[in-house]
Amino acid sequence: DGGITQSPKYLFRKEGQNVTLSCEQNLNHDAMYWYRQDPGQGLRLIYYSQIVNDFQKGDIAEGYSVSREKKESFPLTVTSAQKNPTAFYLCASRLQGLAIAFFGQGTRLTVV
Amino acid sequence: GQQVMQIPQYQHVQEGEDFTTYCNSSTTLSNIQWYKQRPGGHPVFLIQLVKSGEVKKQKRLTFQFGEAKKNSSLHITATQTTDVGTYFCAGMDSSYKLIFGSGTRLLVRP
Repeated sequence: DGGITQSPKYLFRKEGQNVTLSCEQNLNHDAMYWYRQDPGQGLRLIYYSQIVNDFQKGDIAEGYSVSREKKESFPLTVTSAQKNPTAFYLCASRLQGLAIAFFGQGTRLTVV
Repeated sequence: GQQVMQIPQYQHVQEGEDFTTYCNSSTTLSNIQWYKQRPGGHPVFLIQLVKSGEVKKQKRLTFQFGEAKKNSSLHITATQTTDVGTYFCAGMDSSYKLIFGSGTRLLVRP
């Protein structure tokens, strides 16, 4: 069953703790993206990666980090430096040569 | 950098009325995509437009790409409650950054 999987669906963390959100795809897509969505708002790009071992900052990269050690995986770490980490995080992937993005179900992160 | 703006931010319509959302890019786009996000869900791809002036239809939905390839619109004829959600346009810049518009949230009164 092909697709893009984000886990967990809901995540709670205490303020000051780093937390890593998982994103795995078995679509053999080259590019992967992380977006943040706040209530009633649009999608803001955090980081993106076109190939393994390479990634670029998006518009709101401060307080976040990523890695792309495998084609299938693009984990996002929300660090304690992120001032307002509570949000809905969406991961997407795209086949090289096509602009169409496929999204995971998202992870709702709440920091208390 | 590239910016993609959408208007209106919200639209509340009576079931059966038409709905239109507009998307404007600060730069020329090679193509544009439209996505729909249901409440509590994730964005789902609807369609891609590539050619200048292109018009595509999906049942009650009509998508248009501007002649200058800097704007686009989505028109829904005779809205239904199943159309409820947020509609996003998206474009890709030369560095493969996929930028989404701010979205238009559609609410339909039954």
